[in-house]
Amino acid sequence: GESVGLHLPTLSVQEGDNSIINCAYSNSASDYFIWYKQESGKGPQFIIDIRSNMDKRQGQRVTVLLNKTVKHLSLQIAATQPGDSAVYFCAENREDTGRRALTFGSGTRLQVQP
Amino acid sequence: DADVTQTPRNRITKTGKRIMLECSQTKGHDRMYWYRQDPGLGLQLIYYSFDVKDINKGEISDGYSVSRQAQAKFSLSLESAIPNQTALYFCATSDERGETQYFGPGTRLLVL
Repeated sequence: GESVGLHLPTLSVQEGDNSIINCAYSNSASDYFIWYKQESGKGPQFIIDIRSNMDKRQGQRVTVLLNKTVKHLSLQIAATQPGDSAVYFCAENREDTGRRALTFGSGTRLQVQP
Repeated sequence: DADVTQTPRNRITKTGKRIMLECSQTKGHDRMYWYRQDPGLGLQLIYYSFDVKDINKGEISDGYSVSRQAQAKFSLSLESAIPNQTALYFCATSDERGETQYFGPGTRLLVL
């Protein structure tokens, strides 16, 4: 069936290191992808997005890479800080019977060790 | 994000009770959504609305109903609450392109 999944449920990194969070998707019709950050007790917060006509998009300390050949998405966080500790979700977005549908993965918990 | 607010933030209720969760937004978006999140899992879509009076079922609509009487407000009701509806509930909004969604702070619901 259709799914958006994550390779690792928990990722632990040292402060200052780079973090890479991965996501696999199975629907080749998806044309827009979003990464969300969810801190404890809060709602998901938009981080960065990428369209299917791009391979890479950079923001402030974050980079999203899209490999459509293997249906893989990754979020790279440079110089990881304690404030980056959260659960990160990828989401895929596509046209579905004339309307846009957003499907979320189960999330990866990022733990930043001081 | 204060643009999307949810009330109450926490709620404890008993099995069989009817309860309503409220969502308000000041972003001027036409589209609104209700999601459920269980511990350690992602978000599941319950219902969504693309305009006032427009209601669409999501992945897990059974046991829930919604009302969209105004652009800025979207309410979720549990007709007869059951313990497995214990979860975090999030409201979200998006513009007419329906791509990026903006989430409220969530309502933590416990059904005893």
